[in-house]
Amino acid sequence: EVHLVESGGDVVRPGGSLRLSCRTSGFTFGNFGINWVRQRPGKGLEWVSAITWNGENTGYADSVKGRFTISRDNAKNSVYLQMNSLRAEDSALYHCARQGYFGGDLQALYAFDMWGQGTMVTVAS
Amino acid sequence: DIQLTQSPSSLSASVGDRVTITCRASQNINNYLNWYQRQPGKAPKLLIFAASSLHSGVPSRFSGSGSGTDFALTISSLQPEDFATYYCQQSYSYTYSRPMYTFGQGTRLEIK
Repeated sequence: EVHLVESGGDVVRPGGSLRLSCRTSGFTFGNFGINWVRQRPGKGLEWVSAITWNGENTGYADSVKGRFTISRDNAKNSVYLQMNSLRAEDSALYHCARQGYFGGDLQALYAFDMWGQGTMVTVAS
Repeated sequence: DIQLTQSPSSLSASVGDRVTITCRASQNINNYLNWYQRQPGKAPKLLIFAASSLHSGVPSRFSGSGSGTDFALTISSLQPEDFATYYCQQSYSYTYSRPMYTFGQGTRLEIK
């Protein structure tokens, strides 16, 4: 059975740092891209960051670019999100999600087919 | 960047009703549109991929349609467990060298 389990969420002061982890099991981790998605209190889902299956390429939402860094360790079946210069607006429930491949014509079509339950980050003084 | 606009933002309906939620993209995204369900306290769940393909295990009362810029998610006969928030997502802007996605703002489906 596929599992994604996030950890590392905490209460941190503005300007502080935090490192989230996403441990996975039940599938061939090295074959899948992984994403981070967050949901702020009372708001909708927001895509945060992505990393390709081999870690060669990464992407970030404009709201976190330059402050967050995604990485992966295929030997540990894990993805990480290093969060620096945290702001109050980064307070959210952070999910990791597996990027499944679903075909596509001119380019590959992906969707997030498995998700973790999330880890809560609160940025407050 | 590609923007997705869902409507309505919230919707009240009764068990057994047929409901439709729409998602409009700011540019042509072909069929690179997915739909998710978020129930309170649970992880989001993939319902529809490629605009109209039902994900494994999803009940057939869910269906998706559309292409280009206009898309819809329809639930043919609402069940109690369907009262949740629904999100569209585009994957058209994803490339191997620059992976990125966008979600719509969500549609909250409530019991009337």
